[in-house]
Amino acid sequence: RKEVEQDPGPFNVPEGATVAFNCTYSNSASQSFFWYRQDCRKEPKLLMSVYSSGNEDGRFTAQLNRASQYISLLIRDSKLSDSATYLCVVNLKDTGRRALTFGSGTRLQVQP
Amino acid sequence: NAGVTQTPKFQVLKTGQSMTLQCAQDMNHEYMSWYRQDPGMGLRLIHYSVGAGITDQGEVPNGYNVSRSTTEDFPLRLLSAAPSQTSVYFCASSYSVTSGRARGNEQFFGPGTRLTVL
Repeated sequence: RKEVEQDPGPFNVPEGATVAFNCTYSNSASQSFFWYRQDCRKEPKLLMSVYSSGNEDGRFTAQLNRASQYISLLIRDSKLSDSATYLCVVNLKDTGRRALTFGSGTRLQVQP
Repeated sequence: NAGVTQTPKFQVLKTGQSMTLQCAQDMNHEYMSWYRQDPGMGLRLIHYSVGAGITDQGEVPNGYNVSRSTTEDFPLRLLSAAPSQTSVYFCASSYSVTSGRARGNEQFFGPGTRLTVL
């Protein structure tokens, strides 16, 4: 079983739609959670951290459910520029390693 | 700031050849790491370093060596290239673990090196 699992998609949605991605992680000792965005043939970039209480950044909302060990990302009012692969990322309790475990990503295609 | 830079952008090797992928950062980050990305596999950690002179193995270290003689540079060496090492390689850096949770969490990635081993 992969440590971090995501539906690879693609999710094809029209502009203006709301879309949600889920991600599950297997290690209950995971301490930090993130969503990264990766455009085609580019490097990953941090989209947002995920906090226990949930957090919002503009059109993006992230939620964490520790009991069920999943993370979600909600995108409202999708834009063409949101088309990318979204990577779910977790980190174990801080050991000084600062190493992240990446999911394989969910691809989003927003269509006009 | 240039951020994280990687060279070369593309490379084709023959089986058995050796080469070094270069990575440099100008943000004075203590932590640096190398990942490889393969289709359907996500990014996997190869080696990492928590500071100059200190390196350690990640998830998939076999066939690769690293060194960290300065804070800025973290080269990755392929000892004897194999077709299984065909991949996209990303170097990343971040603040030290003692810099505070928020700052230390974000990893900055270089643009990647696309390597093909024939």
